[in-house]
Parts: sequence; C-alpha cells; structure tokens
Amino acid sequence: EAGVVQSPRYKIIEKKQPVAFWCNPISGHNTLYWYLQNLGQGPELLIRYENEEAVDDSQLPKDRFSAERLKGVDSTLKIQPAELGDSAVYLCASSSVPAGLRGELFFGEGSRLTVL
Amino acid sequence: AQSVTQLDSHVSVSEGTPVLLRCNYSSSYSPSLFWYVQHPNKGLQLLLKYTSAATLVKGINGFEAEFKKSETSFHLTKPSAHMSDAAEYFCVVSDRSDMRFGAGTRLTVKP
Repeated sequence: EAGVVQSPRYKIIEKKQPVAFWCNPISGHNTLYWYLQNLGQGPELLIRYENEEAVDDSQLPKDRFSAERLKGVDSTLKIQPAELGDSAVYLCASSSVPAGLRGELFFGEGSRLTVL
Repeated sequence: AQSVTQLDSHVSVSEGTPVLLRCNYSSSYSPSLFWYVQHPNKGLQLLLKYTSAATLVKGINGFEAEFKKSETSFHLTKPSAHMSDAAEYFCVVSDRSDMRFGAGTRLTVKP
C-alpha cells in the first residue's frame, strides 16, 4: 500500500514568489492534515480536512496561505507571496478516522521550502 | 488547552545502554498520548500510543512508554539502544480534536 505522497521534496524560491505543495493521502483516508515544521521544532497544524471540508484552519495565515481539497482526496497548499520566514518543512498527514477519535496519523516525507 | 513538554532537546547514549526520553503533558481531558519517530529526511512514524487502556504501552523496535497520571508523564524507554535508533522523537498529546506535538528530542547513539 502506498504511503502519503508529497511533492516536491525540495523547493528553493526567491521571496515574493508563489509556491505550491501537493499531497496525496493514503487511499481511503478521509482526514488530511497540513503541518508546518520549523527547524528544531515539532510540527504545528496549519489546516485539517474531513473529506473536502476544512474543519480547522484557525492556524493558517490566510493573508498568504491557501489550501484546497476539492474532491476530498488529494490536496494543495499554496503560499503567495512567500516570505523569508516561510522557510520550513511542510508536512502532510492522513488518517482513517477523524482526529477526535484519536487515530494514528500517517505522514509524508515533507516538502522542504527555502526562501531566499 | 493542552500542551506537551519534552524535557530534553538532545539525549546521547552508547550503543547497548538504556534509553530514556522524557515527556510531560497538560490536558483538560483524559488525553491520548503518542510517541512518533522521525529519521533524517523521512516522514514521522508512530512508535506507540496510549488511549486509556493499559498504562504500560509497548511499541515497535523494542520501545515502550508508561502513562503516569499522577505525574502527568509519558516517558519513552528502551532497554538497549541500537545505532538505528538515532533519530528525532516527538511526544504528542491529543484530546478531542486537537493534537499537540512537543519540540522533539534528538537521540544520538554512540558506537
């Protein structure tokens, strides 16, 4: 069974440029998460989807970040325009149960963004 | 509100010696607790989880953790470290719909 797939693995851009990350969760997993991981820190939730609905986006900086999961399967996270402080690893995770049922999260390998 | 504190940012052990990674949590509800491991340039992988059943939880690769409500702790242990255990370890607390990750403990294993 394929795991959570993310692309690109690495991205280097100049500040003010746009960037997009893509995530394909494990087949059948209805819950999808995007996390931000800064160097030396634990992951922090950006947004959580149950199917196509964003049920928790309270930590997503909506002035420059956007996300979508149109058909309730794969998802895209976009930053426009990128700032120097956005340099981090963006992690996608999926789960077969809603977060409230305390299921295991399956993580992708992450997309490492460097903003110059 | 809930939070998790990993008491050591870096732990170094010799191969074959015991491992102890410490985690304390704060939660308003009966929490679920997890330990995840992250090897370099890899995704996080679940080691073990506590969800209100047995307080001593066994996980993969010989790791185990004990839930101590009176101490609000969920420390991760392994009797004998292996070189392949070198990685970043994250303690996670979850209640209802919110999961919070600790800052991580980097484990170094010396030959």
